[in-house]
Amino acid sequence: QVTLKESGPGILQPSQTLSLTCTFSGFSLSTYGMGVGWIRQPSGKGLEWLANIWWDDDKYYNPSLKNRLTISKDTSNNQAFLKITNVDTADTATYYCARTVATSENDYWGQGVMVTVSS
Amino acid sequence: DVVLTQSPATLSVTPGERISLSCRASESVDTYLHWYQQKPNESPRLLIKYASQSISGIPSRFSGSGSGTDFTLSINGVELEDLSIYYCQQGNSLPYTFGAGTKLELK
Repeated sequence: QVTLKESGPGILQPSQTLSLTCTFSGFSLSTYGMGVGWIRQPSGKGLEWLANIWWDDDKYYNPSLKNRLTISKDTSNNQAFLKITNVDTADTATYYCARTVATSENDYWGQGVMVTVSS
Repeated sequence: DVVLTQSPATLSVTPGERISLSCRASESVDTYLHWYQQKPNESPRLLIKYASQSISGIPSRFSGSGSGTDFTLSINGVELEDLSIYYCQQGNSLPYTFGAGTKLELK
């Protein structure tokens, strides 16, 4: 059974760094073709893809967030991480992690974690 | 970036009817087009992958078609539990992008 769960700080102030953790089970990020992606959704709005990390440590980023994103993984502990630097109110959203298989489809999603950026 | 345009934005439906939702890409995405369903206060759920491939556990009334730039998600016999927002997503080129969604509401 594949499960994923996101965790994060809940609330943080503008200019701080957002650190998110995705803890998963039922698959391994060392298995060929496996990946974990991060997607966010502001309240009442659509989905925005942020980044993906793959079994071979390849990393994809959304260039719209320029150089603010860093994705990483801890294969032995079944975790993936996302850092977003210099946050502002526009980063307020629910952040999801999802398993990505083969190339691009996200077949299992976490429940999401709400992050609020406020002074 | 590939822009995905979903139409209509909102669709009013009657239980039992067959409906079609559209997703058009600004450039060809081959068949790297996936559909998700998101119910209120829930995470998205993968419905269809690679334009037309079914997903285990998803009811057979959901089907997908298309390639290149024009894609369709069909629901053959809408049920009340299908009232949700439907998103398409392309995985042909980076950055991966999502459409703005189509909301199904009760007529």
